[in-house]
Amino acid sequence: GAGVSQSPSNKVTEKGKDVELRCDPISGHTALYWYRQSLGQGLEFLIYFQGNSAPDKSGLPSDRFSAERTGGSVSTLTIQRTQQEDSAVYLCASSSGAGFGTDTQYFGPGTRLTVL
Amino acid sequence: AQTVTQSQPEMSVQEAETVTLSCTYDTSESDYYLFWYKQPPSRQMILVIRQEAYKQQNATENRFSVNFQKAAKSFSLKISDSQLGDAAMYFCAPNFGNEKLTFGTGTRLTIIP
Repeated sequence: GAGVSQSPSNKVTEKGKDVELRCDPISGHTALYWYRQSLGQGLEFLIYFQGNSAPDKSGLPSDRFSAERTGGSVSTLTIQRTQQEDSAVYLCASSSGAGFGTDTQYFGPGTRLTVL
Repeated sequence: AQTVTQSQPEMSVQEAETVTLSCTYDTSESDYYLFWYKQPPSRQMILVIRQEAYKQQNATENRFSVNFQKAAKSFSLKISDSQLGDAAMYFCAPNFGNEKLTFGTGTRLTIIP
């Protein structure tokens, strides 16, 4: 089956604008993760969804960042009032949801966000 | 705090030779899972190999193998018979049981023809 897909592949926006990044997980995967990859901070966890449980938002850097997962499948990461430090590659991953850290996470190709 | 250290920012190896990438980590957990991912210029993060911390036997996947030393908290990746397609950034990424991967800073591997 298809892997994790993300859209858009690249996004250029102006400072202060809102952006939405989309992730389609592997069919049947109940767990979904967002990570951010930037030059200064490396790869960092943002948010984790598992089934119908409340998401783990502990990695979101500010209240300008939010994410939703509709119908247990597609997820949207929203960044409001973008800042230049938000420029990064945003990676989405999904896994089968077995839990306890056992899952292999499968990654999408990422969205490169550039804030001018 | 749980940390992951990859002390080799860059490595290079001749094609067909063997190279070892190092990774050390710090955690108070006893059960966890360790992963190596590669990220080629295409940006797609690809799983290379995984190791369960409760297993003493080192994982192998074709030309890729690990040397897992739990007491030393070390998880190195050995690539045998290096190929041009192995050129990429390699990330050590343990999952310490909280479902999040904790990534090292990566090692950029160059294959010399």
